[in-house]
Amino acid sequence: GENVEQHPSTLSVQEGDSAVIKCTYSDSASNYFPWYKQELGKGPQLIIDIRSNVGEKKDQRIAVTLNKTAKHFSLHITETQPEDSAVYFCAGENYGGSQGNLIFGKGTKLSVKP
Amino acid sequence: GAGVSQSPSNKVTEKGKDVELRCDPISGHTALYWYRQSLGQGLEFLIYFQGNSAPDKSGLPSDRFSAERTGGSVSTLTIQRTQQEDSAVYLCASSRPLGEQFFGPGTRLTVL
Repeated sequence: GENVEQHPSTLSVQEGDSAVIKCTYSDSASNYFPWYKQELGKGPQLIIDIRSNVGEKKDQRIAVTLNKTAKHFSLHITETQPEDSAVYFCAGENYGGSQGNLIFGKGTKLSVKP
Repeated sequence: GAGVSQSPSNKVTEKGKDVELRCDPISGHTALYWYRQSLGQGLEFLIYFQGNSAPDKSGLPSDRFSAERTGGSVSTLTIQRTQQEDSAVYLCASSRPLGEQFFGPGTRLTVL
């Protein structure tokens, strides 16, 4: 089954700066890597995902990069704003293991200081 | 609504009581998941249902925890003889066999 490691566990940036969160995964068969944002008091929500047939995907201020050779993927947030403050989870597709179709990282608490 | 719903949103109970938490998944989603999230922590997997297959219970922390999914739709997570360490947010998610999991808003359980 898949194993996903996420770093850092906490990240503090100044408004307007960029933030980068990194994840590694273990199963080379994994092809789908979503990122979730969890705001205080809410359930996680998908913000962007990437499949292994592309190396980068962008959606306005957020982007995700994937390196299948090194088995790592990253979330990049540019021009951060206070409303970007949340916990971010990465996940990797889980083939044949227990716990369902996705394995989640342990989360990164991002704080954007105005 | 089209999303995953959970009830109640908040539950306060006394130590030793049983509680039932409910999850209504997105219609047509064959997979349903329960996670536990303690304050400031990550997503702790509890149990996973996929179609008519036997559920994956590998994450249940003790035999006080159980879950069922009736008719391939609504799921109930039951915690018997609650303990203070059971206090957490319980999240439900549903999905198709592959791809994105859609999360509900969670139930915040407080055991006094």
